[in-house]
Amino acid sequence: EAQVTQNPRYLITVTGKKLTVTCSQNMNHEYMSWYRQDPGLGLRQIYYSMNVEVTDKGDVPEGYKVSRKEKRNFPLILESPSPNQTSLYFCASSWGPYSNQPQHFGDGTRLSIL
Amino acid sequence: TQLLEQSPQFLSIQEGENLTVYCNSSSVFSSLQWYRQEPGEGPVLLVTVVTGGEVKKLKRLTFQFGDARKDSSLHITAAQPGDTGLYLCAGAAGDRDDKIIFGKGTRLHILP
Repeated sequence: EAQVTQNPRYLITVTGKKLTVTCSQNMNHEYMSWYRQDPGLGLRQIYYSMNVEVTDKGDVPEGYKVSRKEKRNFPLILESPSPNQTSLYFCASSWGPYSNQPQHFGDGTRLSIL
Repeated sequence: TQLLEQSPQFLSIQEGENLTVYCNSSSVFSSLQWYRQEPGEGPVLLVTVVTGGEVKKLKRLTFQFGDARKDSSLHITAAQPGDTGLYLCAGAAGDRDDKIIFGKGTRLHILP
């Protein structure tokens, strides 16, 4: 089954404790993204990757890191999480960002930073 | 900065009524996509509109892309409770069209 898998689905942690949210896709997609979704602000792109070893900043990259060592995986790293990073996070993949390429989303990770 | 503005933010109507929601921008987009998101899940693509003036139908849902490719609308005929959800429009943005931006969405609630 074609899917994007995020882990964990829920995480409560404390300020400053490094964490990683994993994302894996089995569709051989080249383009992968991370988004955060906040009430009143909608979905905002954090980072995206056009292909292996190619990553770039989205609209809200501060406080986040990503890596793309393999095509299927695109982890999101919070080196020193802060309460303003409490949010619902989505990973997505597609053949590309252009034209008629649908984004396939994971089920989300609800992150709470105390 | 390219922005997508959706209206209305919230809409609550009775089952059987018709409705239209809008996605507007001052920028030209090569294409726009509409997604629906249900609680606890990621957005799911409904349709992509590519050509200015294009109209696409998906059962009771009709999507239109403006002639100037700056706006799009979603019309639902005879709304049903199963149409309840968050409707999002999205487009490629940035100098190289390699970023994705979303509107803030229209939260639709259909009352039985």
